[in-house]
Formats: sequence, C-alpha cells, structure tokens
Amino acid sequence: SQQGEEDPQALSIQEGENATMNCSYKTSINNLQWYRQNSGRGLVHLILIRSNEREKHSGRLRVTLDTSKKSSSLLITASRAADTASYFCATEGNSGYSTLTFGKGTMLLVSP
Amino acid sequence: NAGVTQTPKFQVLKTGQSMTLQCAQDMNHEYMSWYRQDPGMGLRLIHYSVGAGITDQGEVPNGYNVSRSTTEDFPLRLLSAAPSQTSVYFCASSPQGGMGGYTFGSGTRLTVV
Repeated sequence: SQQGEEDPQALSIQEGENATMNCSYKTSINNLQWYRQNSGRGLVHLILIRSNEREKHSGRLRVTLDTSKKSSSLLITASRAADTASYFCATEGNSGYSTLTFGKGTMLLVSP
Repeated sequence: NAGVTQTPKFQVLKTGQSMTLQCAQDMNHEYMSWYRQDPGMGLRLIHYSVGAGITDQGEVPNGYNVSRSTTEDFPLRLLSAAPSQTSVYFCASSPQGGMGGYTFGSGTRLTVV
C-alpha cells in the first residue's frame, strides 16, 4: 500500500515563482526522501531528511518534516523551466530491514 | 562510475513467455530493489535484497522471482508474462538502509501482449 501521499497531484507555475509540494505518510519512519523524475527517465534523489530533523536545505530546495503530523513539504524556490518534472516523496521505515515506500507524486510544470 | 545499469530498455513479450530483466550496480551497495511504475500508482516495491544471498518480497511480488548471488547483480525474472505486468520497471540500490538516498537505473519499459 502507498505510504506517502503527495499534494497537489499537479502544480503549474511561472518561472521565478516558488513551488511547494506536500507529503503525508502513515507509519513511523527512519527518514523521508524526495525524488525527481523527468518524463521517461529514472528517479533522481534530491534530499533526505531524518526523523530527528525538522528542516533541511540543499541549493534551491527546502524540506521540512513534522513527525507529529506525519507530513513533509518540499519547497523549490525561484523555479526554472528545467524544474518541470514529477516529484515523489518516499519513506524509509524504522523496523527491521528498511525499504522505500513511495507516494504517487506531484507533477510540476514550470512555464517560461 | 556507471551507477545502476538496467537492460534491456524496451521489451515486448507475448503472454506466457518468460524473461529476465537485468540490473547491475558498480557502487558496492548492499541494498538493491525492484519497483514497477504504473500510471497513477507511483512506484511499488516488487522484491528487494539487503545483501548477497538475501532477498525478500515487497508489496507486489506475485509473478516475479529474484536472486542475489553477487553484490553487483540483482536480476528480476518474469516467470510467465501476463498483460497485467505491462509496466516500467526500475532497479535501485543504496549503500545501506537509512544511510542515504537510492540510485535508480533508467528503467525497462515492458509490454506484454
């Protein structure tokens, strides 16, 4: 079953605007990760935030994690047309052997 | 470094045929996984391995078989292909659970007719 659920399913913005995507999950986690997938390509790891962290930055990316609400957000600042892609959150559990469980993704379209 | 290499990139099978999707990584990663991606479904875990000789089932294992005889290779076998297995298949690897992000291959697009 899907662990993460991204919101919104699709997002359309103009270049230079910020894009915010949200992810909710159901069970306790070790960490939460965000991935990008360009059309027809494999997934690329963007950022990982551990369960004891609340916020993390990487370049134009900012991720927050609220374990009490079981939710995370990904903010992309000053979006570019090249940011057009699908974005997935994935959670890694904290019991036994850990595997990644993915949400269904947010499709981001950045128009020039 | 090549990363994670999947072959073939495209494949068409007839119902009932069998085949093996190949996955190889050159990063000495312990964890390897197979996912399938269907429209509107995100990625679902088929099988995974936490090291050579150790495999386990994921969310959707039926109709698939795996083995891990070496750290580098993690092939996925379709035993008797069905149209429901039409999908894009991704292999991924990670150094160890909780230690970092996963590296994905570029995928195999499989059509079963």
